[in-house]
Amino acid sequence: NAGVTQTPKFQVLKTGQSMTLQCAQDMNHEYMSWYRQDPGMGLRLIHYSVGAGITDQGEVPNGYNVSRSTTEDFPLRLLSAAPSQTSVYFCASRRQDSLEQYFGPGTRLTVT
Amino acid sequence: AQTVTQSQPEMSVQEAETVTLSCTYDTSESDYYLFWYKQPPSRQMILVIRQEAYKQQNATENRFSVNFQKAAKSFSLKISDSQLGDAAMYFCAYRSAMGGGADGLTFGKGTHLIIQP
Repeated sequence: NAGVTQTPKFQVLKTGQSMTLQCAQDMNHEYMSWYRQDPGMGLRLIHYSVGAGITDQGEVPNGYNVSRSTTEDFPLRLLSAAPSQTSVYFCASRRQDSLEQYFGPGTRLTVT
Repeated sequence: AQTVTQSQPEMSVQEAETVTLSCTYDTSESDYYLFWYKQPPSRQMILVIRQEAYKQQNATENRFSVNFQKAAKSFSLKISDSQLGDAAMYFCAYRSAMGGGADGLTFGKGTHLIIQP
């Protein structure tokens, strides 16, 4: 049982490039979400999903797309990277009937 | 929208002593959950303790306990017998128990806890 996994761990992009941050969980959790963490800030919710085929926006969704074609995977797409998207990104999941949210190890993204 | 405020950017405590981290929140909801997360330098987010707003009894997990004051919207974390391994960033977080809104946590900005040997 690997829990929540994220790839890559580190990534450097140039402004305007696109990329996908991968997130997978093997716990059959219905709910998954993406957060970003900037220096001196707590985590902020980008997008979330309550099940396969269902996604919605969080607090800071601009510049990001998500999809949820399977229960296990919840990728986060940056369509045209900007320096303001330099951050650490966390994926998380939880069971619908549980309070406990499990976090992945994070991806540190730098946009130059 | 809910907000979570941690007014102590940094705290320092001697090993084996007790330290209290402060958290206040603002919400118009009556049913919600509160959490404390620990983030060591590895940056892994680790759940320390949680509290359901409908429960009057304060949650306790070994050396960690909370002082939940619902009327004052205050949720402080007390760490007893501080250990070197407790050094980390600590985040207070809020989750609504009401349906229909975004499913996610609202975090404070964190408190950096330093343990002096």
